[in-house]
Amino acid sequence: DAGITQSPRHKVTETGTPVTLRCHQTENHRYMYWYRQDPGHGLRLIHYSYGVKDTDKGEVSDGYSVSRSKTEDFLLTLESATSSQTSVYFCAITENVGANVLTFGAGSRLTVL
Amino acid sequence: GNSVTQMEGPVTLSEEAFLTINCTYTATGYPSLFWYVQYPGEGLQLLLKATKADDKGSNKGFEATYRKETTSFHLEKGSVQVSDSAVYFCALQSDTGNQFYFGTGTSLTVIP
Repeated sequence: DAGITQSPRHKVTETGTPVTLRCHQTENHRYMYWYRQDPGHGLRLIHYSYGVKDTDKGEVSDGYSVSRSKTEDFLLTLESATSSQTSVYFCAITENVGANVLTFGAGSRLTVL
Repeated sequence: GNSVTQMEGPVTLSEEAFLTINCTYTATGYPSLFWYVQYPGEGLQLLLKATKADDKGSNKGFEATYRKETTSFHLEKGSVQVSDSAVYFCALQSDTGNQFYFGTGTSLTVIP
């Protein structure tokens, strides 16, 4: 299996608190993505990164920020969590766009009360 | 813009039945097309892909053909098994290469 791990796997928090999800890869892949998965919406892209300190917004980026200070780590931060951000979050990686295939982490389930 | 539309589920089939899950797309240029599968409690994993028109992707008895004229990439399997029960996602990769777009997923349950 590709070396991609997400932490924490489960988290329950309260509205208004900050939350950071971590995606760690050991594959040295250039591209990293954060998606959220919700019933009826499938997977929607939040942010992605195409290199260290190079990030861009996806279709549902409001309320989220990301950072990538080194190749192996891509952090997703909810500055002030809201109940609408209750979801399952998936990190994915790919070596380069020519490789085409995304490899996914196991997911992080976040519940905001 | 880019988008993927796939048939809504859930789909319930008996073992050995024929499976079709419809997928159509909207895209600029020449995207690559994918089917991913998600088993309970896991992340998505690639099932098959096609990178240009008329290509057929296949894996584990599943097939899908990239039809540019109908902008479709329907997933088929001739004889499903209980172990095929999962959620299936159709996806496309934009022709710029750096973004991937997913359908809403179709849940399949195969009963013995």
